[in-house]
Amino acid sequence: GAGVSQSPRYKVTKRGQDVALRCDPISGHVSLYWYRQALGQGPEFLTYFNYEAQQDKSGLPNDRFSAERPEGSISTLTIQRTEQRDSAMYRCASRSVTGTMNTEAFFGQGTRLTVV
Amino acid sequence: DQQVKQNSPSLSVQEGRISILNCDYTNSMFDYFLWYKKYPAEGPTFLISISSIKDKNEDGRFTVFLNKSAKHLSLHIVPSQPGDSAVYFCAASAWGNEKLTFGTGTRLTIIP
Repeated sequence: GAGVSQSPRYKVTKRGQDVALRCDPISGHVSLYWYRQALGQGPEFLTYFNYEAQQDKSGLPNDRFSAERPEGSISTLTIQRTEQRDSAMYRCASRSVTGTMNTEAFFGQGTRLTVV
Repeated sequence: DQQVKQNSPSLSVQEGRISILNCDYTNSMFDYFLWYKKYPAEGPTFLISISSIKDKNEDGRFTVFLNKSAKHLSLHIVPSQPGDSAVYFCAASAWGNEKLTFGTGTRLTIIP
């Protein structure tokens, strides 16, 4: 696609429900990143993939958070038993090559999650 | 533990003048630095970057300066234009580590 696409753009869910956030990276991009951004803060790293392999999940806050990218393209970030503190903007980014970050990452518009 | 700090939440600059956005970092392992620009309701977009082997990188109206000894970098925009009004994020990464660490952002407003 032309850019990184995330869906849904907005999600309101009740506390305790599970949510799945989707990221469709730029076609052919190898690396895919998930970030979370609270209001007034910068994006905070959650996890990333090279192809289908999850390389680093050190930023996932707890075991309610998980991510997958089974075919090395679309990725899903799942939050189980959501809590109000999970409310944030969830951003996905993709890069065309692996290796260190000496190339730019392209961000999607994000999914605004609100847990009520 | 905020490893990348942008101490000015906001900055207002007259159109045509120079805008200087500052960023400090604490992790001496960081060796690559980027600036991202963000408009409302959009994702951050890459603006300019610099490797630790350089102290300056210029791209049109945008120049990034890196002072490794002070662990400080700055973004200069000259001349500033109304379309530069946005939130600017400083980000850094360490060799062999693909994740970016972001600052909290500076909202730049260019006054016509």
